[in-house]
Amino acid sequence: DQQVKQNSPSLSVQEGRISILNCDYTNSMFDYFLWYKKYPAEGPTFLISISSIKDKNEDGRFTVFLNKSAKHLSLHIVPSQPGDSAVYFCVLKGGSNYKLTFGKGTLLTVNP
Amino acid sequence: DTAVSQTPKYLVTQMGNDKSIKCEQNLGHDTMYWYKQDSKKFLKIMFSYNNKELIINETVPNRFSPKSPDKAHLNLHINSLELGDSAVYFCASSRPGGGVREKLFFGSGTQLSVL
Repeated sequence: DQQVKQNSPSLSVQEGRISILNCDYTNSMFDYFLWYKKYPAEGPTFLISISSIKDKNEDGRFTVFLNKSAKHLSLHIVPSQPGDSAVYFCVLKGGSNYKLTFGKGTLLTVNP
Repeated sequence: DTAVSQTPKYLVTQMGNDKSIKCEQNLGHDTMYWYKQDSKKFLKIMFSYNNKELIINETVPNRFSPKSPDKAHLNLHINSLELGDSAVYFCASSRPGGGVREKLFFGSGTQLSVL
């Protein structure tokens, strides 16, 4: 049973346009939400996060939105750059040991 | 000066063999982890150690045994390898406390192929 769903395995956008990556979750126990980014042959790296008490967090070109009632998380990248091409993992944190639960990832390709 | 380094990067071996993957971090973190990314691409935690003590042990076969000689190292030993063990294994570390806001730093992964 997938607790974290990234229903789009891939997304392709033009350089300069907005990239929107989506994530849905099923369990209300999650109280911290993160996005990790992964390039080929590298490990995931932390990108941006948001706590359950907020609905938006912005860091430069990256903004994460949280809709708790809908159990939905999204990552906006604007403007998108070719260097943003990577796999983006939606990651949820919760429970007594703050275990991370990863989605399957969305491969973003930004075309020049 | 890689923060989290794991070796080897690739490991190809026969079924039934025993193999080890090594991990070292130079970030001064107290907590280290092993994650497995299977063929369905999910990254799932296997083990977590805090200052050499096991704190998370997910439902992992006994053939997998983590060993932490010191807080900078967390090695993974796998006995009697099976075809289903083929996956990418990631080591990671985080700062002391492992609280909700702590982010993980991952190694570049070890691609294990069992033939």
